[in-house]
Order: sequence, then C-alpha cells, then structure tokens
Amino acid sequence: DTEVTQTPKHLVMGMTNKKSLKCEQHMGHRAMYWYKQKAKKPPELMFVYSYEKLSINESVPSRFSPECPNSSLLNLHLHALQPEDSALYLCASSQVSATNEKLFFGSGTQLSVL
Amino acid sequence: GQSLEQPSEVTAVEGAIVQINCTYQTSGFYGLSWYQQHDGGAPTFLSYNALDGLEETGRFSSFLSRSDSYGYLLLQELQMKDSASYFCAVTTNAGKSTFGDGTTLTVKP
Repeated sequence: DTEVTQTPKHLVMGMTNKKSLKCEQHMGHRAMYWYKQKAKKPPELMFVYSYEKLSINESVPSRFSPECPNSSLLNLHLHALQPEDSALYLCASSQVSATNEKLFFGSGTQLSVL
Repeated sequence: GQSLEQPSEVTAVEGAIVQINCTYQTSGFYGLSWYQQHDGGAPTFLSYNALDGLEETGRFSSFLSRSDSYGYLLLQELQMKDSASYFCAVTTNAGKSTFGDGTTLTVKP
C-alpha cells in the first residue's frame, strides 16, 4: 500500500464551524506533513510531525490545530476559519523527516470557507 | 530562509526534450527534489538528488550541482500527458521541504 488517504475530498464550512481533516498512511512512514496550496501556487508547509511529535510549526495561526494520534494518522482541526483560508490542504508522508527526499502526497481536501 | 527560482512556463512539442532549471538559496541544504502536479491532482514525486550528478528514472532525469546551487529536470520523448506543473523543492537538514513557484509545461502535438 503506497497511498496516503485524505478525507473528506471536499469541505465547505462557515466561519463559526469546527471541522477536522483526516489523513492516513500505512507505509510505515514516521514523518507526516500538512501543506496548504492555493490555486496556481506551490504547496506551503504548515506542520511536520516526526515520530508522532510536532517538530515544525511554520507559524500557522492557532485556528489550525494539528494532531497525530498514532504513526499512521494525522488530523487537522479547523475552527473559526477565514475566507482566505480556502485552499487545497495536502497531507504527505515520508520515511523520516530528516531526509524526506520523497514525499508521498494524498489527493487533498479542497476547503471552502464561506 | 529559502528561495528557489524556476521558469514560470515552458512549451515544447511531442517527442522533444525539455529542461527545467532550478536555482536555489538556502542554509542547511540537504537535497533537491522534483514533483509533477496535474491540474486538480496532488503532487507526485519524480526525482531526488542529494549529491552532484545525474539521476535517471525512465524518461526523466535530474541533475544537481551543489557548488552552483543549481539543478534541472530533463524530460525526454515528451508526451501530451506530460503537460503539468513541475516543482523543484529544497530539503534542508531541519527536515523542511520548500517548493519553488512551479513551471507550467505545455506539450503541443
């Protein structure tokens, strides 16, 4: 199994809603990532988890809250988002984070904030 | 921080060879990766260089010169399905991968 699975594929939420994005991999990878991608722009790193511990937070606003319940799962909890947070949210994994030469990306969650 | 430069657009015909260049500035450089992304899809890994030289994977090859902070992706025998965005990405020894702005490749018949 060489897939990273993300759910849901599409999400529409209001600014007062709370929602969660989910990501799962069964490749035995010990590093997992959240990226944000706007249309026609490159993916931007948000968070890195290494061995289930948060190792990098790229100064992401607190309305985004990551969680890594175990080595296979990664969640992104969303609360009080703004319309400018609308984007494609990509989860990725790699064997380890220090040499993450190969990132496996999920198909993403297309998020719209109204 | 990191900065990467790559051309915004490249156009080529089927069967041709195209080279997409990437120059970078970063501290703690570890390696340079290349990803392909079709419209509406997720980035997929193409190639990676940590050491100077050429890496070949089928129709795709990637080159790195660490002393010049420069790399390129070479696509041979272009096919229509190769029309996509191509990103170079720098990995640092802190475990961060930063992507360039991407090159849109259009393959024409």
